[in-house]
Amino acid sequence: GENVEQHPSTLSVQEGDSAVIKCTYSDSASNYFPWYKQELGKRPQLIIDIRSNVGEKKDQRIAVTLNKTAKHFSLHITETQPEDSAVYFCAASIGRDDYKLSFGAGTTVTVRA
Amino acid sequence: NAGVTQTPKFQVLKTGQSMTLQCAQDMNHEYMSWYRQDPGMGLRLIHYSVGAGITDQGEVPNGYNVSRSTTEDFPLRLLSAAPSQTSVYFCASSYSYTSRGGRRNEQYFGPGTRLTVT
Repeated sequence: GENVEQHPSTLSVQEGDSAVIKCTYSDSASNYFPWYKQELGKRPQLIIDIRSNVGEKKDQRIAVTLNKTAKHFSLHITETQPEDSAVYFCAASIGRDDYKLSFGAGTTVTVRA
Repeated sequence: NAGVTQTPKFQVLKTGQSMTLQCAQDMNHEYMSWYRQDPGMGLRLIHYSVGAGITDQGEVPNGYNVSRSTTEDFPLRLLSAAPSQTSVYFCASSYSYTSRGGRRNEQYFGPGTRLTVT
């Protein structure tokens, strides 16, 4: 099955700095890579996603890059703000089925004011 | 729309007991899934459904059963609870659509059920 590894497990950044989270996956058939944000005690929510036919995608302060050859993808948050503090999960589709996801273990991001 | 709802919010079971976690969605989504979330392990897919009457196993299906008799409901049954099933359980529903960025499948999660098995 799919195996998604996520690093780092914790990340502390100064407000205004950038945060980068990296993930690798094992299934070469995976073609959909979403990122979810989970605030303490809340449910996960989609923040950005990318398909395997695209190398990079941006949405305001958030960007995701994908290297399908190397089987890794990354989340970049620029100009971090205190409300960016949360747990972030990467995920990869299990095979080509984008409704089935395998998640990374999560990264706890803390933005210091 | 209420979105995805789950009941109960909290539950304590004794080893060997059985119970059903309820999940409902009012968005007419075709896909529904159950995940469990354990510290340091992210979310793991237990079972999923691609439509009423169709279910299949995910990554960690042992000890759980599901059924999907309607589009709206997707209950998860624990047959004989074990301490290893202590976890937070999330139900999710989704549908696939095409936007300017290509095909997407956004999973909408319920609020979760915190289950403790003693």
